[in-house]
Amino acid sequence: DADVTQTPRNRITKTGKRIMLECSQTKGHDRMYWYRQDPGLGLRLIYYSFDVKDINKGEISDGYSVSRQAQAKFSLSLESAIPNQTALYFCATSEARGYGYTFGSGTRLTVV
Amino acid sequence: AQSVTQLGSHVSVSEGALVLLRCNYSSSVPPYLFWYVQYPNQGLQLLLKYTSAATLVKGINGFEAEFKKSETSFHLTKPSAHMSDAAEYFCAVSDRGGGFKTIFGAGTRLFVKA
Repeated sequence: DADVTQTPRNRITKTGKRIMLECSQTKGHDRMYWYRQDPGLGLRLIYYSFDVKDINKGEISDGYSVSRQAQAKFSLSLESAIPNQTALYFCATSEARGYGYTFGSGTRLTVV
Repeated sequence: AQSVTQLGSHVSVSEGALVLLRCNYSSSVPPYLFWYVQYPNQGLQLLLKYTSAATLVKGINGFEAEFKKSETSFHLTKPSAHMSDAAEYFCAVSDRGGGFKTIFGAGTRLFVKA
């Protein structure tokens, strides 16, 4: 099994729909992150969590929410999807500052 | 505030030639620095990291990077390119100070010609 598993891998949804992207990790790390990747823009941080009770907004959190259900699970929700949220979404985990991230394989989301 | 700039959104080399991918950073204190590789339809994979030990860092797949404080650079190199190196490469910088943020560059796509 992969260290970080994201579901679904691909999703097409309609404008205005609520959608949840799920992430689970087997690394045993406390730190988890959600990033969005757009061509030419690199990765931008949406939300991060340093433990189950610690959730923080990143640089582009508007229109998104998260839930940390357990140390291993961190889900991202789009409450009312819009077309400019079409992107590749990555979940990641890290042991601590300076250790680098382990990424999932990503969820390609298309909002039509 | 931290920032990272990757020079060149696309780099093309011939198989067997030197690979050089450029990364410059801005940070008020010496940061942690990383290079990641992304193959098609996959997530990012850590290639190597600089955390303040040796300034020349060796990573996986024959890649290495040198931290040069005076030039605020962390360029990625590989002596001889393989076809399998074709991918997108991201440089990232992370603060050592009170904040935690990791900032990613826009990425450089490496093409390897036969």
